[in-house]
Amino acid sequence: DVKVTQSSRYLVKRTGEKVFLECVQDMDHENMFWYRQDPGLGLRLIYFSYDVKMKEKGDIPEGYSVSREKKERFSLILESASTNQTSMYLCASSIPDRNTEAFFGQGTRLTVV
Amino acid sequence: AQKITQTQPGMFVQEKEAVTLDCTYDTSDQSYGLFWYKQPSSGEMIFLIYQGSYDEQNATEGRYSLNFQKARKSANLVISASQLGDSAMYFCAMLGSNYKLTFGKGTLLTVNP
Repeated sequence: DVKVTQSSRYLVKRTGEKVFLECVQDMDHENMFWYRQDPGLGLRLIYFSYDVKMKEKGDIPEGYSVSREKKERFSLILESASTNQTSMYLCASSIPDRNTEAFFGQGTRLTVV
Repeated sequence: AQKITQTQPGMFVQEKEAVTLDCTYDTSDQSYGLFWYKQPSSGEMIFLIYQGSYDEQNATEGRYSLNFQKARKSANLVISASQLGDSAMYFCAMLGSNYKLTFGKGTLLTVNP
């Protein structure tokens, strides 16, 4: 069974902290994505990666960075967390084929206080 | 730029009736994929149906069908014979030629008994 695993279901961090959100997939997928989901705004793409060490900015990359050192792992980094980054974060992966759907992790609910 | 627009924040339907959820998209790509996902209150993202930009026939998957009108850049989801379990958030998404996967803001469907 395909699996995308996010390291934490719930996370509480303080303003100014450096925060790492980890995502691991076991399907040997080339593409990986990070989204944030907020009520009324849907899923907004932060960053995506189509290969190891490759990354592309999504629609809202400000305040975030990513790392993809291994194919199965895609990390989202909040360099200095702020309260407006309180959100649900979703990771997804897919193969580079427009016929195939993406698979999602269970999400990480991040609260920055 | 790649964009998905879902103009219906919320929809209501009576059990056993059909409902159409609207989705329009904007892209300069010639080749792209269109997807619909369901997100119940549990938060998981469930893939429902896919339509390729070169597919001449509308996609169908059980009670789900995709009304694809390429010239109008629309990809509406039709759910036939609605069930109480269909109550959820529904997202339209597009995968472009650069592997960017973009989502709309979603439509909250409520099925009334």
